[in-house]
Amino acid sequence: QKEVEQNSGPLSVPEGAIASLNCTYSDRGSQSFFWYRQYSGKSPELIMSIYSNGDKEDGRFTAQLNKASQYVSLLIRDSQPSDSATYLCAVPPGTYKYIFGTGTRLKVLA
Amino acid sequence: DADVTQTPRNRITKTGKRIMLECSQTKGHDRMYWYRQDPGLGLRLIYYSFDVKDINKGEISDGYSVSRQAQAKFSLSLESAIPNQTALYFCATSEWGAGGDEQFFGPGTRLTVL
Repeated sequence: QKEVEQNSGPLSVPEGAIASLNCTYSDRGSQSFFWYRQYSGKSPELIMSIYSNGDKEDGRFTAQLNKASQYVSLLIRDSQPSDSATYLCAVPPGTYKYIFGTGTRLKVLA
Repeated sequence: DADVTQTPRNRITKTGKRIMLECSQTKGHDRMYWYRQDPGLGLRLIYYSFDVKDINKGEISDGYSVSRQAQAKFSLSLESAIPNQTALYFCATSEWGAGGDEQFFGPGTRLTVL
């Protein structure tokens, strides 16, 4: 079983819709969770972090964490074509090292 | 100017050649990392360094070596390049932020081994 799992997609949503990206992880000791966005050919950039159960909102982005079920989600409201990218979930297994998921490719259709 | 820089940005080399990829940062972070990214496999950790005297192997260190010349510089070497080392290589730094240890990536080096 992979330590961090994401559906590779592509996830296609129409412009203005809510995009929902999911990630499951295996290490129950993980404390912090991160979402990175990566445009094609570019480097990953941090967009959200969360460490408490529940929701955390930042602009159009909402991260949701459920430690009991071992999943973390990213919601993107009012999706724009510029949101089209690969979204990487990252889970540090208790130290400073990350375990990255393979990413979900999001396509926002104009 | 970019906080994390990598040189070269693109490199084509031949099997058996020695290659060095360089990373410099102006963020003042102690922790630095080297990853490779392959389609379908995601980002995998090659080496990481918590300070100049602390260097550790990641999950895929075979065939690679590193040098931490200073707090700001972390180099990755391929002693004898082979075609399956063709990949996109990223350097990253990290610092403890509000949400935990946050990583910041350089622009990447696209390496092709023929």
